[in-house]
Amino acid sequence: GDSVTQMEGPVTLSEEAFLTINCTYTATGYPSLFWYVQYPGEGLQLLLKATKADDKGSNKGFEATYRKETTSFHLEKGSVQVSDSAVYFCALLSGGYQKVTFGTGTKLQVIP
Amino acid sequence: DAGVTQSPTHLIKTRGQQVTLRCSPKSGHDTVSWYQQALGQGPQFIFQYYEEEERQRGNFPDRFSGHQFPNYSSELNVNALLLGDSALYLCASSAVTGTSGTDEQFFGPGTRLTVL
Repeated sequence: GDSVTQMEGPVTLSEEAFLTINCTYTATGYPSLFWYVQYPGEGLQLLLKATKADDKGSNKGFEATYRKETTSFHLEKGSVQVSDSAVYFCALLSGGYQKVTFGTGTKLQVIP
Repeated sequence: DAGVTQSPTHLIKTRGQQVTLRCSPKSGHDTVSWYQQALGQGPQFIFQYYEEEERQRGNFPDRFSGHQFPNYSSELNVNALLLGDSALYLCASSAVTGTSGTDEQFFGPGTRLTVL
């Protein structure tokens, strides 16, 4: 079945540091890939998405590139801020009437 | 656009009781999915409703059931509550695109269920 594996946290960075959160997936067909963010006490917000190989999703300074050859969708940001502290989930949506499959989440803490 | 709304925000029940959670989808969306997110975990798919029928189901027991109404809103019912049912329950809505499936899902803020 479909699965998503993402690096375990928590990840602690200083403000303005570079961020990478690794994500790899296993899926049949050609899934769409997503990064969701969850702030404390809140639901999930879509951060960015990519729907086909080599697509780059970007939003709020975050980027991720759909790499079919390595089945990866790593999240990056050049300079993190304290306000980026949250839990980040990598996810995939397979073609057809399918559910979204989530990774276990990576907690990011950015310290001033 | 109000987005996806869920009620109630928080709920406390005791073991053996039954609970009903409610979800209103984003305007223009006709598909509703429910997820259970245990503390410190990623959301797990429970089931999906489209055209008032359950279209797909995850690995959850029959104690979990649902319903979709003609206005596309949905309910999640859980019978015979267990301590392990304590979690954040998320509703997500989407729209069927063409004949190939659904587009991205938009999530509500969730209902926090505590079972004592």
